[in-house]
Amino acid sequence: GESVGLHLPTLSVQEGDNSIINCAYSNSASDYFIWYKQESGKGPQFIIDIRSNMDKRQGQRVTVLLNKTVKHLSLQIAATQPGDSAVYFCAENMENFNKFYFGSGTKLNVKP
Amino acid sequence: GAGVSQSPSNKVTEKGKDVELRCDPISGHTALYWYRQSLGQGLEFLIYFQGNSAPDKSGLPSDRFSAERTGGSVSTLTIQRTQQEDSAVYLCASSLQGLSKNIQYFGAGTRLSVL
Repeated sequence: GESVGLHLPTLSVQEGDNSIINCAYSNSASDYFIWYKQESGKGPQFIIDIRSNMDKRQGQRVTVLLNKTVKHLSLQIAATQPGDSAVYFCAENMENFNKFYFGSGTKLNVKP
Repeated sequence: GAGVSQSPSNKVTEKGKDVELRCDPISGHTALYWYRQSLGQGLEFLIYFQGNSAPDKSGLPSDRFSAERTGGSVSTLTIQRTQQEDSAVYLCASSLQGLSKNIQYFGAGTRLSVL
């Protein structure tokens, strides 16, 4: 199967600092990527997505960077807030395929 | 409805018993997914329904697992003769269409504990 993994299983940051969560993927044919946020006791919530024809996409306080050369994806959160504390998953998909492959997640702890 | 609804939220069962997990997708969403999430792990794809098409069952781990979707809306995931390794959170998601670039909206999941 596909392999989507994360470099850091846990990340602790100070409130107000920027956070960077990394993800590696193994299938060079993957052309669509999503970041999800999962708070305790809840289902994953969509944060931002990016297609393979882009290398950067920005949302509200979040930026996703895609490096297809090294098959690496990152999520940057600006001015991290306590409400950002959660587990973050990346997921990859290939066009016309139904399955999304998820990484094991990175837990983000925001210290006040 | 306002979001994807799953029931029960928690289910404790004895090894060997059958369980049924229910998912109510967002109204109008034609695509429905089931995933399994073991403790501290990512999401494992189980099955996918899209409209009236035959479901993609390729992620079901064994023949003890089955799912159906009646009337293109509510879905039930059934696990027969449960085993302790079946303990996990079972998540359901729906999307407008079964296309890779349509956002999946997740329910809160059913936490299954097999004793």
